[in-house]
Amino acid sequence: QKEVEQNSGPLSVPEGAIASLNCTYSDRVSQSFFWYRQYSGKSPELIMSIYSNGDKEDGRFTAQLNKASQYVSLLIRDSQPSDSATYLCAANSGGFKTIFGAGTRLFVKA
Amino acid sequence: EAQVTQNPRYLITVTGKKLTVTCSQNMNHEYMSWYRQDPGLGLRQIYYSMNVEATDKGDVPEGYKVSRKEKRNFPLILESPSPNQTSLYFCASRFTSDSNYGYTFGSGTRLTVV
Repeated sequence: QKEVEQNSGPLSVPEGAIASLNCTYSDRVSQSFFWYRQYSGKSPELIMSIYSNGDKEDGRFTAQLNKASQYVSLLIRDSQPSDSATYLCAANSGGFKTIFGAGTRLFVKA
Repeated sequence: EAQVTQNPRYLITVTGKKLTVTCSQNMNHEYMSWYRQDPGLGLRQIYYSMNVEATDKGDVPEGYKVSRKEKRNFPLILESPSPNQTSLYFCASRFTSDSNYGYTFGSGTRLTVV
């Protein structure tokens, strides 16, 4: 099993819907988790971080962490065409490394 | 403006010709790292630095060198580039080595080795 896994997509949702992006991780990476957004041809941009079990909300974004099941998710409410991008899940291990998933492409249809 | 600056943005070089990609941050961040991004493989960590004169290997360090002589600069050196090092490279920094901090990324360097 890869340390951080994501479905590559594409995930297609209509404008205004909730987009749900998921990420699973192995035991080797279990401390803190991050979601980055990467537009085509651009660099990743940090949008959410989460360290504790449960939900964390920031505007239209909600990150969810379930350590027992080893998954992290990102919900985007009221999805907009401008949300179309690749979303990268990342995890910091107990050391100094940060491991990224391969990313999920999201397409929001107007 | 707080940022990570990488240069050059694009580079085409020939096999074996030494090159350096520069990275500089103006946020007084302790931790800096280099990643390469390849289709289907995502971002893979090459090297990281916890502070000045403190560097360590990431997951794909072969063929690369780094140095951290000043806090703000973290250059990536390819002593003898090969075609399998053709990739998109990102420099990133974060406040400290503390795992609770996320990254600020540079704009990327697209390297082609022929």
